[in-house]
Amino acid sequence: QQQVKQSPQSLIVQKGGISIINCAYENTAFDYFPWYQQFPGKGPALLIAIRPDVSEKKEGRFTISFNKSAKQFSLHIMDSQPGDSATYFCAASRRYGGSQGNLIFGKGTKLSVKP
Amino acid sequence: SQTIHQWPATLVQPVGSPLSLECTVEGTSNPNLYWYRQAAGRGLQLLFYSVGIGQISSEVPQNLSASRPQDRQFILSSKKLLLSDSGFYLCAWMTEGYGYTFGSGTRLTVV
Repeated sequence: QQQVKQSPQSLIVQKGGISIINCAYENTAFDYFPWYQQFPGKGPALLIAIRPDVSEKKEGRFTISFNKSAKQFSLHIMDSQPGDSATYFCAASRRYGGSQGNLIFGKGTKLSVKP
Repeated sequence: SQTIHQWPATLVQPVGSPLSLECTVEGTSNPNLYWYRQAAGRGLQLLFYSVGIGQISSEVPQNLSASRPQDRQFILSSKKLLLSDSGFYLCAWMTEGYGYTFGSGTRLTVV
């Protein structure tokens, strides 16, 4: 019930293409869904996040789509660039509640954008 | 402003030696603090978390321990390192409702 399943494990996209990473969760109490971006040798950094009261959130070339009934959410990177090459982690949690607010991470997707 | 400091950035230690990694946060009080480990090319493994001074929860039984002697200080330790302890160690703190902020990490190589 606490798992977040992320796919694919790795992704190769041509420059200018669309990168799509999918995640599924089981715990219906989750109400905060962030995506983190990690470059080699660096700590993950918050990229974009969504709450279940909206179905989509867009920030620049990055969009989260959220399907509450299917318990799925995805990250879309439009016009993918070589600089987007990184590992992406989805996560889920309850927004508030002490230790219940701990993020549950997916296993990560390594994105490579070819020039 | 809120910042997180983690050091050292890299560390090479012989098998059987002790370990102490330190993480401090600034600009917040009573944060939830976390230690994660990441093997090469792998995901984030939660090792310990703390909701307050002296309160440590262990997620994975292993050769490591954690302590929180002060509100904004979180320490990861080992008495005797194993080869399998090699990895990228990350400290993080949580802002309720806004997810985690991660430190820059420590690359530990046990030789």
